[in-house]
Amino acid sequence: KAGVTQTPRYLIKTRGQQVTLSCSPISGHRSVSWYQQTPGQGLQFLFEYFSETQRNKGNFPGRFSGRQFSNSRSEMNVSTLELGDSALYLCASSLAGGTVETQYFGPGTRLLVL
Amino acid sequence: QQQVKQSPQSLIVQKGGISIINCAYENTAFDYFPWYQQFPGKGPALLIAIRPDVSEKKEGRFTISFNKSAKQFSLHIMDSQPGDSATYFCAARRSNAGKSTFGDGTTLTVKP
Repeated sequence: KAGVTQTPRYLIKTRGQQVTLSCSPISGHRSVSWYQQTPGQGLQFLFEYFSETQRNKGNFPGRFSGRQFSNSRSEMNVSTLELGDSALYLCASSLAGGTVETQYFGPGTRLLVL
Repeated sequence: QQQVKQSPQSLIVQKGGISIINCAYENTAFDYFPWYQQFPGKGPALLIAIRPDVSEKKEGRFTISFNKSAKQFSLHIMDSQPGDSATYFCAARRSNAGKSTFGDGTTLTVKP
């Protein structure tokens, strides 16, 4: 069974640009969560999607948005990039997002904002 | 507000030794406590997890000890091996919250 895949793996952007990251969950998984990982702030929850609906949201500005498609693939978008958005963006999938379900993480997309 | 505090930030252990990582949480609504292992260039991978109605869970060389009254839990790695060198994160989840709250991570180095 293929794992969670994220594309692209690396990305370099400049301030003010926007970026779209993609996540393909494990086949059959309907819940996709996104996290931002930085050395200073650790792993911070961005949002969770289930059946094309945002079900939970973390404390990030509106520049961070996401969506989920009918095949459970998810995208996140960051507009008007800031230097502080440089981070590893991880997505995790699970069957239905239940509390005790194992979340499977992808390898992440490393974003560098110059 | 940091809801899950993890210590130490880094840990060096000799091969064969015991590695101990501690976490403390604030929100009593948390009811699931997983530990993740992350190698460079990879995403976190679930190592072991525990519910608060259990005080200890063991899987191979990895053991979680849970103290509900103190709101603390810890990961013990017995017979630590160089291949265990990685970053370890504790986390906590609430029912139907759809997210995990992570500790800041512990970088473990096991010296041969």
